[in-house]
Amino acid sequence: NAGVTQTPKFQVLKTGQSMTLQCAQDMNHEYMSWYRQDPGMGLRLIHYSVGAGITDQGEVPNGYNVSRSTTEDFPLRLLSAAPSQTSVYFCASSYGGSIGNTIYFGEGSWLTVV
Amino acid sequence: GQQLNQSPQSMFIQEGEDVSMNCTSSSIFNTWLWYKQEPGEGPVLLIALYKAGELTSNGRLTAQFGITRKDSFLNISASIPSDVGIYFCAGSTGANSKLTFGKGITLSVRP
Repeated sequence: NAGVTQTPKFQVLKTGQSMTLQCAQDMNHEYMSWYRQDPGMGLRLIHYSVGAGITDQGEVPNGYNVSRSTTEDFPLRLLSAAPSQTSVYFCASSYGGSIGNTIYFGEGSWLTVV
Repeated sequence: GQQLNQSPQSMFIQEGEDVSMNCTSSSIFNTWLWYKQEPGEGPVLLIALYKAGELTSNGRLTAQFGITRKDSFLNISASIPSDVGIYFCAGSTGANSKLTFGKGITLSVRP
């Protein structure tokens, strides 16, 4: 997982609080994305970005915002945390969207909303 | 939306045994990927498949991209205790690196 760094690793929030999960990669990857993982659900795409200044929604975008002001960083914002957002969040990056590009994952951020 | 089906949810095998995992979809994918996740870690890529019919090996692991592009399997031969983990299949249509994941199979290996 070298190259994709997520912070914090663990966070507890109260309902209604806001916070930002940070993601940075130093591999000059164009594509970055955020997934959430829930028990028995696999990983589901929240938002993704194909380059600086460009973002789009994934499968489960509600309650989350993203921005991509630089190639390296792709923060995920929870505007008003809800217990349903308790999950493990993974940031991922890759060189591009064409077939054959390997996607690298960060080590995850464990978020609990109480 | 697209879905990938992996079953059963859990598998229990004896050390030294071979194990096979399938992944099926009602949609066509252009790339199939197999990931392993260990507790407290992010998924790690095991094998990537790019062409229908492709058979690829990585040590004791072998995976195949189905001819119909709607399925893939992963075989682990001569299992060892460190094979324990959750195995996910993932598919990509090639658009923007968006992956669709299966729900994963938790593999336990008894010494």
